[in-house]
Amino acid sequence: SQQGEEDPQALSIQEGENATMNCSYKTSINNLQWYRQNSGRGLVHLILIRSNEREKHSGRLRVTLDTSKKSSSLLITASRAADTASYFCATDSGNTPLVFGKGTRLSVIA
Amino acid sequence: ETGVTQTPRHLVMGMTNKKSLKCEQHLGHNAMYWYKQSAKKPLELMFVYNFKEQTENNSVPSRFSPECPNSSHLFLHLHTLQPEDSALYLCASSQEGTGVGYTFGSGTRLTVV
Repeated sequence: SQQGEEDPQALSIQEGENATMNCSYKTSINNLQWYRQNSGRGLVHLILIRSNEREKHSGRLRVTLDTSKKSSSLLITASRAADTASYFCATDSGNTPLVFGKGTRLSVIA
Repeated sequence: ETGVTQTPRHLVMGMTNKKSLKCEQHLGHNAMYWYKQSAKKPLELMFVYNFKEQTENNSVPSRFSPECPNSSHLFLHLHTLQPEDSALYLCASSQEGTGVGYTFGSGTRLTVV
């Protein structure tokens, strides 16, 4: 069953702008992860945030987690054309495999 | 290279063929997974192996048959597939219990004709 659900489904921005993607989930989690997928390729792990963390940074990425609202956001600052990809959130509820959402398709226009 | 290698990258097969997808990881991980990715659908978990033992089979039709001979190799045997089975099949591995992310292969793009 689908756990994470990303919003929006598609996002188009100009190079240099910030991109924000949201993820909502249904049940309690141990951690939430964000992945990136270039067209037709495998997913690449970007960042993991644990349930007791509220914010995490990695380079131009900033992830927030609100467990009371069961939601997370991924912010990419100063976007580049190379950031064009699909972004997925995935939730880890303990002894179960990761469950992924449908993803947000980000297009960064040069 | 991610450390998880999938072959072949592309496969076209007829509905009466038998073929196999291969996944190999050199990361020392103890869990391996098959996911199916179809257009406009979330990734669907198919099978999970922990320490070579299958721990999850997500109601996958029997025309898909997994095999895990050791903790580094995972196969997906295919027979009498349907056109709707055309998709990107992704293999991933992880170290269970560490809470670290999965490492994915580049996938096999399967087309059933």
